[in-house]
Amino acid sequence: EVQLVESGGGLVQPGGSLRLSCSAPLFTFSDSWMSWVRQAPGKGLEWVTNIKPDGTENKYVDSVKGRFTVSRDNAKKSLFLQMDSLRVEDTAVYYCTRDRGNGAHDYWGQGTLVTVAS
Amino acid sequence: QSVLTQPPSVSGAPGQRVTISCTGSSSNIGGPYDIHWYQQFPGTAPKLLIYSIKNRPSGVPDRFSGSKSGTSASLAITGLQTEDEADYYCLSFDNILGDFVFGTGTRVTVL
Repeated sequence: EVQLVESGGGLVQPGGSLRLSCSAPLFTFSDSWMSWVRQAPGKGLEWVTNIKPDGTENKYVDSVKGRFTVSRDNAKKSLFLQMDSLRVEDTAVYYCTRDRGNGAHDYWGQGTLVTVAS
Repeated sequence: QSVLTQPPSVSGAPGQRVTISCTGSSSNIGGPYDIHWYQQFPGTAPKLLIYSIKNRPSGVPDRFSGSKSGTSASLAITGLQTEDEADYYCLSFDNILGDFVFGTGTRVTVL
């Protein structure tokens, strides 16, 4: 069964904003670390951000610090990624993942494509 | 460029054993951090293949195994099968970057 479903990707101009959402209806979301991982076209995987189960802590890769914000709504079993000041190099498929807390991402969404271009 | 280096490609005939290295440093693989391996087929999401150096999630065949020595980790595939053709990535935490980091990725080709 599908554990994670992302939405919100699309085409946006450089400098624009986009908000990704991830729904996690089938497991105990409120007990889970959650992350976003991205993959630029034809490139490798890049860890982007994670957030603690209660939402009180998060970390970001340097390239998105100050521009991306991760958040969650445990009541709605949903994860979000607010992406501002988007750059061409942010173009990628963005995956929502459940992280066991140590980097073991055991559930992955299908991915949502974000394209930043003029 | 990632701090975890993998060979771009490895290949082998069906039934052979291949290994994929993931070379790091004392700030990541050589430290007290877990190492995980992911398998990705073209156009699909990655899948957790090995966690915490050597453990297989339920459903992963036992022909996949992981190990670590010093500042390097390895993924071995014994009895290589055509369905093992995929990209493989290692992941660990790096205490200088303060972030999780994926390896550069390895494409496995079955000859």
